[in-house]
Amino acid sequence: GAGVSQSPSNKVTEKGKDVELRCDPISGHTALYWYRQSLGQGLEFLIYFQGNSAPDKSGLPSDRFSAERTGGSVSTLTIQRTQQEDSAVYLCASSSQTSGSTSGANVLTFGAGSRLTVL
Amino acid sequence: AQSVSQHNHHVILSEAASLELGCNYSYGGTVNLFWYVQYPGQHLQLLLKYFSGDPLVKGIKGFEAEFIKSKFSFNLRKPSVQWSDTAEYFCAALGSARQLTFGSGTQLTVLP
Repeated sequence: GAGVSQSPSNKVTEKGKDVELRCDPISGHTALYWYRQSLGQGLEFLIYFQGNSAPDKSGLPSDRFSAERTGGSVSTLTIQRTQQEDSAVYLCASSSQTSGSTSGANVLTFGAGSRLTVL
Repeated sequence: AQSVSQHNHHVILSEAASLELGCNYSYGGTVNLFWYVQYPGQHLQLLLKYFSGDPLVKGIKGFEAEFIKSKFSFNLRKPSVQWSDTAEYFCAALGSARQLTFGSGTQLTVLP
C-alpha cells in the first residue's frame, strides 16, 4: 500500500481482556517497528522485526505483550490481560533498511496509530 | 544503552520568533539522527535527517539542524516560526542496535 496501515484506529476494552492490534507495512519494507506513545511521554520502543531475523523484543514491557510478523509483512501486537496503564497510542512504522545499513533507507514511515483505552 | 534527551518539554513562541530545540544523544558509534514532527491529529512525519557529510542539514518547511559530534547534539532550528508550526517535535537516534530511540518530545505552541 501507499502507507502504513493500522487497525483498529480506536479500541476500548475492559481491564483483563486481550487485544490485538494490526499493522500492514509499506509493501517491500523489510523492517517493522512497534512503539507506544503515552500521554505526555515520548515514543517508547517495543519491538523490531527485520526480515527473517529474530525480532528484537527488548522493549516489550512485560510478558503480557507479544508480537508476530507473518510472511515478512503484516504484524500483530497482542496484549493479554490488559491493564489501565496499557492505555496509549500504539504506533507501527516500517522502513526499507537492512541490517547494518546506515543509509537513507533508515527513514521510518509511521502509521496513524491505534489508540487503546483500557477501562 | 542509547538514549536521546530533549531539554524543552513545552516551548511557546510568537510568530516570527526564532526557534531552537535542543537534542542530545548518548551513543559513541556511528549514528543516524532524525527530527520527526507530529501536527495535531496527524501522523508522525520526518522533518529532516542526518546520516553523514555536511553537519548542517536542511529539512522541510524551513527547518534545519546541526550535528555537533563533540557535543553529541543535534539541535533543531528555524529562523522565523509560523502559527502552522504548532506541533510536537521528536528527536531520534539510530545506532547499530537498529532501534530508533526517541526523545520525550517538545510541544511547540506558536501564538498568532
